[in-house]
Amino acid sequence: AQSVTQPDIHITVSEGASLELRCNYSYGATPYLFWYVQSPGQGLQLLLKYFSGDTLVQGIKGFEAEFKRSQSSFNLRKPSVHWSDAAEYFCAVQGGNNRKLIWGLGTSLAVNP
Amino acid sequence: DVKVTQSSRYLVKRTGEKVFLECVQDMDHENMFWYRQDPGLGLRLIYFSYDVKMKEKGDIPEGYSVSREKKERFSLILESASTNQTSMYLCASSWGLAGTTYEQYFGPGTRLTVT
Repeated sequence: AQSVTQPDIHITVSEGASLELRCNYSYGATPYLFWYVQSPGQGLQLLLKYFSGDTLVQGIKGFEAEFKRSQSSFNLRKPSVHWSDAAEYFCAVQGGNNRKLIWGLGTSLAVNP
Repeated sequence: DVKVTQSSRYLVKRTGEKVFLECVQDMDHENMFWYRQDPGLGLRLIYFSYDVKMKEKGDIPEGYSVSREKKERFSLILESASTNQTSMYLCASSWGLAGTTYEQYFGPGTRLTVT
């Protein structure tokens, strides 16, 4: 069965520091991969997606993610974090003939001034 | 831009009431989804629909039903609300072909409290 793991439940970084949020998935082939962000009390917003092609994808708000097939990972990165990036981040995958996304449990990001 | 709207941002209902949550999308998406979100449990899929009048159970359908009479509208129904259904409810829609789903677009959520 497909699964998604976000190993870090909570991360705190200082403003201006770099950020990497981890996502590992379990699926036999290459799935579709997504990162979403959720600000407090809001719905989820798509940051970026990977379907095929270049394994480094750029998203909104200065985020990028790299697909590594050998590690079954799709980690999210940002070179310099802003206080407004404090939010919950979710990784999701879709694989095969399946209308559902499989979600990680999320990583909560706090940003220190 | 894709827009997904939900009928209420906050809702307070009493135990045993019938509750309707409505969701409307404006992008002609085939797929629509209802999730509930609880702290520490992430997003859990309640039901989804891939066409008008078509629906499939998600991971936690018990206590819920859905209706999709028009392509743009997907309703979640709590037949008899209970306190353990107090949660944030999120609606999403997506384009999809042949049994797949692409990126999902979310509404702002409805925070339901059942007292």
